[in-house]
Amino acid sequence: SQQGEEDPQALSIQEGENATMNCSYKTSINNLQWYRQNSGRGLVHLILIRSNEREKHSGRLRVTLDTSKKSSSLLITASRAADTASYFCATDASSGGTSYGKLTFGQGTILTVHP
Amino acid sequence: DTGVSQDPRHKITKRGQNVTFRCDPISEHNRLYWYRQTLGQGPEFLTYFQNEAQLEKSRLLSDRFSAERPKGSFSTLEIQRTEQGDSAMYLCASSLIAGNTIYFGEGSWLTVV
Repeated sequence: SQQGEEDPQALSIQEGENATMNCSYKTSINNLQWYRQNSGRGLVHLILIRSNEREKHSGRLRVTLDTSKKSSSLLITASRAADTASYFCATDASSGGTSYGKLTFGQGTILTVHP
Repeated sequence: DTGVSQDPRHKITKRGQNVTFRCDPISEHNRLYWYRQTLGQGPEFLTYFQNEAQLEKSRLLSDRFSAERPKGSFSTLEIQRTEQGDSAMYLCASSLIAGNTIYFGEGSWLTVV
């Protein structure tokens, strides 16, 4: 079953603009990971954020996590045409704080960045 | 670190035939995962191994599916008597231990005609 729900389902922006994608989930988690997928390709790992963290940065990427609202956001600043891809959040669900290492994905956000 | 390697990348098979996919994880990763992804959907978990032990199998994994990791290194996923509904991309992933970054391969596309 799909735990994560990404919002919006599709996002179209101009190069240089910022892109924000949101993810909501239902159960408690150990960590949340964001991935990028170019059409027909595998998944590229972007950022992992643990349940006790609130924000992480990596280059032009900023991820926030609000466990009280069971939501996360991915911000891509100064977007480039090469950022065009599908973006997925994936939750590592836990019970009693134990990580299973098994990810549950949402349906993804399709980001299109126009040159 | 050469990443997770999958073979073949594409497979077209006739309904009823058997197919096998191979995955070579990142060396020293003791966890290995298989996922399936259909068009327009996110990947769905199928099964995972810790070393050579298969610790969990999804209900998506019918009796026609079998996965092995005989020596705790590479893994194979076999689908017997393929059906058109098996058409999907099969993704392999690996990680050092649970709770850490999970790295995916490029996937193996299966088309059943």
